[in-house]
Formats: sequence, structure tokens, C-alpha cells
Amino acid sequence: DAGVIQSPRHEVTEMGQEVTLRCKPISGHNSLFWYRQTMMRGLELLIYFNNNVPIDDSGMPEDRFSAKMPNASFSTLKIQPSEPRDSAVYFCASSLSGKENEQFFGPGTRLTVL
Amino acid sequence: LAKTTQPISMDSYEGQEVNITCSHNNIATNDYITWYQQFPSQGPRFIIQGYKTKVTNEVASLFIPADRKSSTLSLPRVSLSDTAVYYCLVAILEYGNKLVFGAGTILRVKS
Repeated sequence: DAGVIQSPRHEVTEMGQEVTLRCKPISGHNSLFWYRQTMMRGLELLIYFNNNVPIDDSGMPEDRFSAKMPNASFSTLKIQPSEPRDSAVYFCASSLSGKENEQFFGPGTRLTVL
Repeated sequence: LAKTTQPISMDSYEGQEVNITCSHNNIATNDYITWYQQFPSQGPRFIIQGYKTKVTNEVASLFIPADRKSSTLSLPRVSLSDTAVYYCLVAILEYGNKLVFGAGTILRVKS
């Protein structure tokens, strides 16, 4: 298995632009997580899906952030409009249902908003 | 109140045993305590999990006291390649058993 796949690996954009991050979980994993990592705030859970349904989105910062999981093999995290304070590394992780403590992380997307 | 508490950083030398403790006063009673390792420019990677007492695998040991208010990750005879950030992951009761990562401990192994 290729593991969790994220794209793009790096994204540089200007303030106000829309940004879409993509994730392909490990095949057979029914739980999917989006995290944001910064030096100041560490690793923060943004949203958690199970069987393509959002279960916990309490970590989504504000309405500018949205996430979708149209099917079991694909998820997106969108920021519109982006702001400089959104600059961070965004990780996607997946796990088997019932084993959410054992998550497999992708390589992350480093987002820079100028 | 902090959800979990870990030392910010630790230094060690090759060949030494390293113990990293995470304090978590209010965790779910039926969930595992899990530890992850993260290298620069990579996502965190699962190392070990336990529920109580002691668990050992090929990489590390995990010690959990009976009250489960803390856990200690033990790395035997570290090498330079163990230099990384180590996170505990627990389910926090007051947040509806939500899984929360600790702030992480930067381990620097020197030769």
C-alpha cells in the first residue's frame, strides 16, 4: 500500500485566494482526520470523518475552512479566502474504524499564504 | 488547564535509555494511551499503545501506572536516528473522549 497520499506537498498562495488540499486515505480505512501543525499551537485536529460522514468538526477554525469526503478514497480541505495566519503544515491521517488511536499520517502539505 | 503535559525537550547520548513522561489527569477510562514519533518534514508515526501496566514492542516500552494519570515512553539504548519529536495521544474525558495529541517532546540524541 502506498500509505496516505496528500497533494500538493507545497502550496504558496496570496492572501484572499482559495486553497484546496487533497487526501487519499489508505484503502480499507474508514476513519479520516485532518490536522494542522504550527510551532505555536502544535498538532490540532480540524475534522474527523467516519464512513465519509463528518463526526467532529469542532476544530475547524472558522467558516473559511470546509472539508468534504465524497467517497471512501478521497477528501478535501478547502480554505476560502486564505489568510497569512493559515500558513501551516496540514496533515491527513487515516485509520481503521475502532482503532482511531492508531492513525497513519500522510506526508503533509506545507501551506504558505503571503 | 492543559489537557496533557510533556517536557518540551530532552537531551541524551547514544546508548543511553531515555524515558519521556506524559501527564494526563482526566482521560477516558476505556481508551488506549498511544505514543507517536515525528521526524522533520514527515507526519507522525505510531510507536506503541497501552491500556495499563507495561507494554513492550521492538521499538519501545510503555509504562502506565494503575491510576492512568501519566504514561512513560521508554526508548532503550537510543541512537542518533532516534532524534525526533515524541507525542502522547489520549482521549480527554472533558472533551467527550476526543483524541488529543500532547505538545510533543523534542529528543536530541548526541554522539
